[in-house]
Amino acid sequence: DAKTTQPPSMDCAEGRAANLPCNHSTISGNEYVYWYRQIHSQGPQYIIHGLKNNETNEMASLIITEDRKSSTLILPHATLRDTAVYYCIVKGTGNQFYFGTGTSLTVIP
Amino acid sequence: GAVVSQHPSRVICKSGTSVKIECRSLDFQATTMFWYRQFPKQSLMLMATSNEGSKATYEQGVEKDKFLINHASLTLSTLTVTSAHPEDSSFYICSASGLAGATYEQYFGPGTRLTVT
Repeated sequence: DAKTTQPPSMDCAEGRAANLPCNHSTISGNEYVYWYRQIHSQGPQYIIHGLKNNETNEMASLIITEDRKSSTLILPHATLRDTAVYYCIVKGTGNQFYFGTGTSLTVIP
Repeated sequence: GAVVSQHPSRVICKSGTSVKIECRSLDFQATTMFWYRQFPKQSLMLMATSNEGSKATYEQGVEKDKFLINHASLTLSTLTVTSAHPEDSSFYICSASGLAGATYEQYFGPGTRLTVT
């Protein structure tokens, strides 16, 4: 499965959009991009996933570049409860998820 | 999304004893369940993949005789940490997977905090 690279930490002002980048330059054509987040001492929570088209749901938007080598998770109006570690995962033909180090997002009042 | 539960949420045991952790998918049939371990300030590390009715597949470096996994039904998998030692103290998280429409989904449990004294 493709590896992902994310910045270790980011800050975002409350109410502003949080844009979390992820590089997955070795992704192959049938591999999906998944985003999960983990609030301290809890299990990961599913956010969104996509293959090549941009996706939006009630939690976030996922923007995938045309060459699929990177993506951005957008939380449109960050709240204090969005403070968490965000993981970008590329899932291949197998069902396993291999987590990288993620981005620790801190939403500042 | 689907609900996955774990029991217990916290457990403290003495060194040398065994501890069993249960993972249940509450509202869907999970053909595959996964077990992860997470040390403080680190990411989740996949330990093993468990398919219902068959032996688990362990990741490299994970001792199968120490971490016994049983997946007897489509809604229950158990992880038994045998002869636990303080270095086994960690946050253990399970996940369950299944098809949701045309796409694959994986749902995580809330985790079990194991402390070995």
